[in-house]
Amino acid sequence: DAGVIQSPRHEVTEMGQEVTLRCKPISGHDYLFWYRQTMMRGLELLIYFNNNVPIDDSGMPEDRFSAKMPNASFSTLKIQPSEPRDSAVYFCASSPTTTSEQFFGPGTRLTVL
Amino acid sequence: QKEVEQDPGPLSVPEGAIVSLNCTYSNSAFQYFMWYRQYSRKGPELLMYTYSSGNKEDGRFTAQVDKSSKYISLFIRDSQPSDSATYLCAMSARWKQGAQKLVFGQGTRLTINP
Repeated sequence: DAGVIQSPRHEVTEMGQEVTLRCKPISGHDYLFWYRQTMMRGLELLIYFNNNVPIDDSGMPEDRFSAKMPNASFSTLKIQPSEPRDSAVYFCASSPTTTSEQFFGPGTRLTVL
Repeated sequence: QKEVEQDPGPLSVPEGAIVSLNCTYSNSAFQYFMWYRQYSRKGPELLMYTYSSGNKEDGRFTAQVDKSSKYISLFIRDSQPSDSATYLCAMSARWKQGAQKLVFGQGTRLTINP
């Protein structure tokens, strides 16, 4: 299995631009999680899905952030408009059932200038 | 106050030393305790997993949970340069629809010097 796949691996954009991050979870996993990691705040859960349905988006910082999961093998996290404070590493993780083990992707390093 | 507190370090020790990493937490509902290891420019990966209080050993790694003190530890024996990474503690309580929402510590950056 290829593991969780994220793209792009690096993204540099200018303030105000739209950014779309992509994730392909491990096949058969029912749960998908989006995290953000910064030096100041560590690893924070933004949103998670169960069987493609958003369950908890209380970690989404503001309306500029949105996430979708149109099918079991694909999810997107969109930031519109982007701001410099959104610069961080964004991780996608998936989990098979109700186990606590989450499998993380390699992350997308986002820089907003 | 954060739900989970972890000293971010950095921590630097010589090869072969015993390493102790710790986290404290405030939410008594947490019942699953994990340690993730994150190498530079990589995603975190699960290293150890325990449920409730007690010890768990896996090779050179030992995880301890003291729920009465709300304190967890990870010990690394005979540390190796390949153990150099950031170690994150994570905890969870039951969550709706059965998913385990994880709350992570800040992570401790560890370097093992040859």
